[in-house]
Amino acid sequence: DIQMTQSPSSLSASVGDRVTITCRASQYISNFLNWYQHKPGKAPRLLLYAASTLQSGVPSRFSGTGSGTDFTLTISSLQPEDIATYYCQQGYSSPVFTFGQGTKVEIK
Amino acid sequence: EVQLVESGGGLVQPGGSPRLSCAASGFTFSYFAMHWVRQAPGRGLEYVSTISSDGFRTHYANSVKGRFTISRDNSRSTLFLQMGSLRADDTAVYYCARDLGVPAAPLDFWGQGALVTVSS
Repeated sequence: DIQMTQSPSSLSASVGDRVTITCRASQYISNFLNWYQHKPGKAPRLLLYAASTLQSGVPSRFSGTGSGTDFTLTISSLQPEDIATYYCQQGYSSPVFTFGQGTKVEIK
Repeated sequence: EVQLVESGGGLVQPGGSPRLSCAASGFTFSYFAMHWVRQAPGRGLEYVSTISSDGFRTHYANSVKGRFTISRDNSRSTLFLQMGSLRADDTAVYYCARDLGVPAAPLDFWGQGALVTVSS
């Protein structure tokens, strides 16, 4: 099975800060990497797919890079509504796939 | 508007066999593969199962293989998860999600989730 490791597991930043979350795959996954935002009690929300393609309706302050095994999600200017847990998900072994363990983002 | 609404959760005894449903609307259900994903209390998202758009191909996480069965009724735009031999570690919120249908298998719409609590 392909393992996905996110770092950090949590972070605290100020409004307006640039925030970066990394995701590493245990083996090569090309660009088959997606990012989600999940708020308590809500449905998870797709932010980016295929590593860098912004899903429709997602603010442009979210961006993604990477290929192979190392990937990054960046929030260019953290907003209060961005408080959530963020997950990466590999689709290389689709239809079976795996998620990272999540990164909880809080406001300092 | 795409909507996915899960139902069928609740308190279940160990060994029980509840069935979750996911009613889809706002899109042509039969065009899309569908998935179940769960989140145990205090834990992250975990893949559970996948079914192809025509219902002929199914896949399962090792943790549920042989105990859960995914199915769909395209005439009723409904996805199902028949759960069996439930254990305490199956306690989770279960989400149904639509596959966007492009490489990388992104899940573009999710339901609000159905809580299944396994306890005596």
